Amino acid sequence: GEDVEQSLFLSVREGDSSVINCTYTDSSSTYLYWYKQEPGAGLQLLTYIFSNMDMKQDQRLTVLLNKKDKHLSLRIADTQTGDSAIYFCAERPNSGTYKYIFGTGTRLKVLA
Amino acid sequence: GAVVSQHPSRVICKSGTSVKIECRSLDFQATTMFWYRQFPKKSLMLMATSNEGSKATYEQGVEKDKFLINHASLTLSTLTVTSAHPEDSSFYICSAREIWGRGYWADQPQHFGDGTRLSIL
Repeated sequence: GEDVEQSLFLSVREGDSSVINCTYTDSSSTYLYWYKQEPGAGLQLLTYIFSNMDMKQDQRLTVLLNKKDKHLSLRIADTQTGDSAIYFCAERPNSGTYKYIFGTGTRLKVLA
Repeated sequence: GAVVSQHPSRVICKSGTSVKIECRSLDFQATTMFWYRQFPKKSLMLMATSNEGSKATYEQGVEKDKFLINHASLTLSTLTVTSAHPEDSSFYICSAREIWGRGYWADQPQHFGDGTRLSIL
């Protein structure tokens, strides 16, 4: 099917690392994105990775890409209570339409 | 940079009313904007792709006469929910596509507005 799968929930303690996983569907996807959504708000672009990269680090965020398995992960180091939100991965298939396919979303709860 | 403003943030109105939602890219030009609908605790469902100067492309199952989209300029797209009914109540989010490069490998991240909570009584 066309579902981009994510685990529904993740709970971590403040200061620990969080790892959010995503399995995408289209091997032609050139870019993969991570977005953050806080309650009642739109989506904030956190980071993205190009399909010819295996890893990208941006301050506390590390993105890992395994193209063979179509697996994407987002690691948040030193997780803070302000990181509590829903995280969506998204892929942009090379279809010429610029549409994204969003994951099901992972709700991250950070415990103080 | 890359700010998208969506207005209004919340609307409550009676059944049968038409409601217009605006999506503006404030500091960049957007030839393409997208309209999504999000149900509680669910992912985003793409409703339509809005292209400046041409007709919108609707996803399967989305009624184009119900959800009118106009993209008259490079910084503004509007979604009008016509004759809204309670089942149209939802969270509507727009996004605008920023062009960073050219050609096949150009990155085109979507930047999102803060959404509109529409409640039809």
